Amino acid sequence: GAVVSQHPSRVICKSGTSVKIECRSLDFQATTMFWYRQFPKQSLMLMATSNEGSKATYEQGVEKDKFLINHASLTLSTLTVTSAHPEDSSFYICSARGGSLYNEQFFGPGTRLTVL
Amino acid sequence: GEDVEQSLFLSVREGDSSVINCTYTDSSSTYLYWYKQEPGAGLQLLTYIFSNMDMKQDQRLTVLLNKKDKHLSLRIADTQTGDSAIYFCAESISGANNLFFGTGTRLTVIP
Repeated sequence: GAVVSQHPSRVICKSGTSVKIECRSLDFQATTMFWYRQFPKQSLMLMATSNEGSKATYEQGVEKDKFLINHASLTLSTLTVTSAHPEDSSFYICSARGGSLYNEQFFGPGTRLTVL
Repeated sequence: GEDVEQSLFLSVREGDSSVINCTYTDSSSTYLYWYKQEPGAGLQLLTYIFSNMDMKQDQRLTVLLNKKDKHLSLRIADTQTGDSAIYFCAESISGANNLFFGTGTRLTVIP
């Protein structure tokens, strides 16, 4: 099956710093990538949808100036959490869709962000 | 918006069958999916079913879809301890780019 990687898998940073998370589709071209946030014992919350070469579409309530998304190529999307605060601590998961008939999304392993 | 519901917890004994249920509200679904999430990991696609199908079987997994009742289930035969995880159902809706996820069911397999 299709493989999606995320880097880093875990990051701890100080409050006020910015953190970049990478999401790569390793063996397929991802026309669309999604960024989710998951709080402990909760479901996934869609943050934004990004299409290669265009601006991301953010869900209601997600600050686009805080969560910067760049989808510069068909295999790479990045999420930058700017001026991170402890409340941004969460599990961030990306997924990628390659335009198959089945519309399935392939998920990365997730990035655990802890802001001190 | 679309509402996808699951029961939060399920416990079964090793070797028994597990049945995880999911209900949804939007009738314009195209595909429905089951994902598995192990602790600290991303989601792994287990199986999917097209909305005009009633059943799909894949080794130990059986998916049943009752479109009239908007009810989806995942049956795991001969459940093993390695099946302990959170299971999410998800729905793809015509015209929408993203998937709509259920709340997740935490399956605990008792040895």
